[in-house]
This record gives sequence, C-alpha cells and structure tokens, in this order.
Amino acid sequence: SQTIHQWPATLVQPVGSPLSLECTVEGTSNPNLYWYRQAAGRGLQLLFYSVGIGQISSEVPQNLSASRPQDRQFILSSKKLLLSDSGFYLCAWSVEKGGNTQYFGPGTRLTVL
Amino acid sequence: AQTVTQSQPEMSVQEAETVTLSCTYDTSESNYYLFWYKQPPSRQMILVIRQEAYKQQNATENRFSVNFQKAAKSFSLKISDSQLGDTAMYFCALRAYDMRFGAGTRLTVKP
Repeated sequence: SQTIHQWPATLVQPVGSPLSLECTVEGTSNPNLYWYRQAAGRGLQLLFYSVGIGQISSEVPQNLSASRPQDRQFILSSKKLLLSDSGFYLCAWSVEKGGNTQYFGPGTRLTVL
Repeated sequence: AQTVTQSQPEMSVQEAETVTLSCTYDTSESNYYLFWYKQPPSRQMILVIRQEAYKQQNATENRFSVNFQKAAKSFSLKISDSQLGDTAMYFCALRAYDMRFGAGTRLTVKP
C-alpha cells in the first residue's frame, strides 16, 4: 500500500530564516506530487505540483519554491521566511495517469515569528 | 473558471442522527470528479467519498453517501448514524483540470 510522509510535523522559525519541508511517498512510482497551504480556518491553496523529477509548476507567485530531486521526494523551500508564510502545509500525491484522487500526508504546522 | 462553494460554515448534529452538508460547484469541463474530504483535529485530510461526473449513480461508502445533481451542479454529503468521531472539518473538492477546494464546513457531533 502507498504511504506518504511529511516532516517535520511542527516547525517554529524566525522571520528571515530559511525553510525546508520534505515529503516522501512510498509504494508507488512516478506519482504526481502537490504542495498545499492551509491558513487557519481556511480551505486549501495549491502552491506547486510536479508530474516528474525536476518538473515543477507554480500556481501562485510567492516567497516559496519547490523541488523534486527524486521520483518520490518533494521539497518545499524558502530562502527567507515571512510572517505570512505561517500556516499548515500539506503534501499530496496522485497516480501518474488518470490520477484524479489526491491522497494527503499528515502535514506540517509552520509558525513564523 | 472552477469554483466550489460550501455555504454552511458550521453545523452540528446529535449522535446517531443524520446530517447533510451542502456543496455547489461550477466548471465548464464536461469530465470531472467530485470529492469530500474530512479533516479531523489531527488536520490530516482523509478522503471520504468520490463521485465521477459521468456516473449517474450516487456514490456511497458505508454511512456516507452523496446526492449528486449534475444539472444543478450540486454535490451534498449525507452522514447517517452520526458518530462522535465524525466531528471534523469537511471539504468539498472539484477536479476538472486541477483541484479546487471549498472553504469547508465544521461539523460537530454532540453526544
């Protein structure tokens, strides 16, 4: 069966510091991968998605970037965090073709102080 | 453009009773999928049920069922025999060419 991991689970960072959140998927090959952000009490906003190694599409301009160095690894980064980057970050995967259902990881709660 | 609207920010239901959560959507695509996700206090998003737009039959998963009205672009979730563990945020989602989520409905099941 497929599983998706995210770490860290919780992170508190000062403004201006760098960020690296990691997501890995097990039990599947060539997944589509997604990063979402959820502000407190709000719905999900798609940040990035990837259909393959090194292929990243950005949905909104922002202070964040994403990379996919390996087939089942997806990384969300920032060089300098802003207060507005605080939120809950969710990684999701779907099958490569016809992947209409997305399955989510446990998420990372990021607080920028 | 794709939009998903959940007009009920909060709802409550007594344990063992039935509750219906509403969702309307808009898309110009003819082929799409609809989902309900549950987000309990742990905040992990859990797939509850999904519906393919080309299927007329409403999807069911145990105590969860949907009422899919394609012409009206409505996709409601019915939870039967509500349990305390059903307390969560529920998100309606539409996937046409990408995935869009509604703002969510906070459901509280009372003992």
